[in-house]
Amino acid sequence: KAGVTQTPRYLIKTRGQQVTLSCSPISGHRSVSWYQQTPGQGLQFLFEYFSETQRNKGNFPGRFSGRQFSNSRSEMNVSTLELGDSALYLCASSPGVDYGYTFGSGTRLTVV
Amino acid sequence: AQRVTQPEKLLSVFKGAPVELKCNYSYSGSPELFWYVQYSRQRLQLLLRHISRESIKGFTADLNKGETSFHLKKPFAQEEDSAMYYCALSGNTGGFKTIFGAGTRLFVKA
Repeated sequence: KAGVTQTPRYLIKTRGQQVTLSCSPISGHRSVSWYQQTPGQGLQFLFEYFSETQRNKGNFPGRFSGRQFSNSRSEMNVSTLELGDSALYLCASSPGVDYGYTFGSGTRLTVV
Repeated sequence: AQRVTQPEKLLSVFKGAPVELKCNYSYSGSPELFWYVQYSRQRLQLLLRHISRESIKGFTADLNKGETSFHLKKPFAQEEDSAMYYCALSGNTGGFKTIFGAGTRLFVKA
């Protein structure tokens, strides 16, 4: 079956712009989580959604937001981009807490 | 505080030697523990779950609740084991989430 798909793979944006990243989970997986990965901070939790509800949010400013649709597809949005937002953004899906995550390849965001 | 600690950034062993990647956690509750692996130019993938008590690619992990540790072990390392390894825990305390350690890069020398 198809894995977790993230689009786009690469993005270059200018400071102050906004960006929307998309994630299509594995069919049947209702839990979707987003992570920011950087060399200095590692994998930082952004948010987790289950059946269109955000169940938790990490320690990121309000510029970072997300949502999940009825088909479990998820988007995350970052407004007023800053240079420090440059990172690999990973999406992961899971059928439940005991199963672990399947990760996408990520979206590489570069803010210039 | 909820935390996963992997004390070693880099671990280098010779092929055929035993390997142990350390993981300690801090969590209020009963978390689920996992190990993930990322091979060069590949996506992060689940290696094994504590709950399934499985051995994957010769790796095993033992949960020690007293020491709050979940170390990953393999008796005989192979060159293809060279990768980045992340320990992670999932739980519902303070809202459901999975948190990851900083990772340990394992390098297996020929």
